[in-house]
Amino acid sequence: AQSVTQPDIHITVSEGASLELRCNYSYGATPYLFWYVQSPGQGLQLLLKYFSGDTLVQGIKGFEAEFKRSQSSFNLRKPSVHWSDAAEYFCALNTGTASKLTFGTGTRLQVTL
Amino acid sequence: AAGVIQSPRHLIKEKRETATLKCYPIPRHDTVYWYQQGPGQDPQFLISFYEKMQSDKGSIPDRFSAQQFSDYHSELNMSSLELGDSALYFCASSLAGGPSTDTQYFGPGTRLTVL
Repeated sequence: AQSVTQPDIHITVSEGASLELRCNYSYGATPYLFWYVQSPGQGLQLLLKYFSGDTLVQGIKGFEAEFKRSQSSFNLRKPSVHWSDAAEYFCALNTGTASKLTFGTGTRLQVTL
Repeated sequence: AAGVIQSPRHLIKEKRETATLKCYPIPRHDTVYWYQQGPGQDPQFLISFYEKMQSDKGSIPDRFSAQQFSDYHSELNMSSLELGDSALYFCASSLAGGPSTDTQYFGPGTRLTVL
């Protein structure tokens, strides 16, 4: 069975500082990997995805993520955080077409001014 | 661009009542997924449909049922509601056919409160 681990439950960064959110996965092959963001009481917005090819993927809002097969990781990064980035971030994977998403437990990002 | 539509956005029910949640996928999307998100938790997969047939089933209680109709919209029917059913229910849709298209886009969710 597949699983996703987000080791950091809560992270606080200052506005303008860089950000890295960690995500590790467990699956017997290379899964499809996603990062979603959720503001309180809102739906999940797709930030970026990795299927194959270039291991550094660019997403919306200035986010990027790097797939590292050797470390089973898919960490999310942003060079300069804005106050509006404060939200819950979920890493997720699925294993093929029309398959369910398995989510990590999420990382809550707080941004201080 | 058109997004996933869910209705109602908020629903309040009493214990043992029934509820029906509706989901309208992005146009041309053929796959619909339902997820349940409890307070402070990650979304948990309930059930999915591809081309109007159930394609996968997760931790969905027997009290719940769902279907996808000919116009691809889906309904989640919940009976004998319990306090523990209070949660955000998300619908997502995707277009099956390969990695480049098979990305799930989520609706805004239905917040169900059971009193």
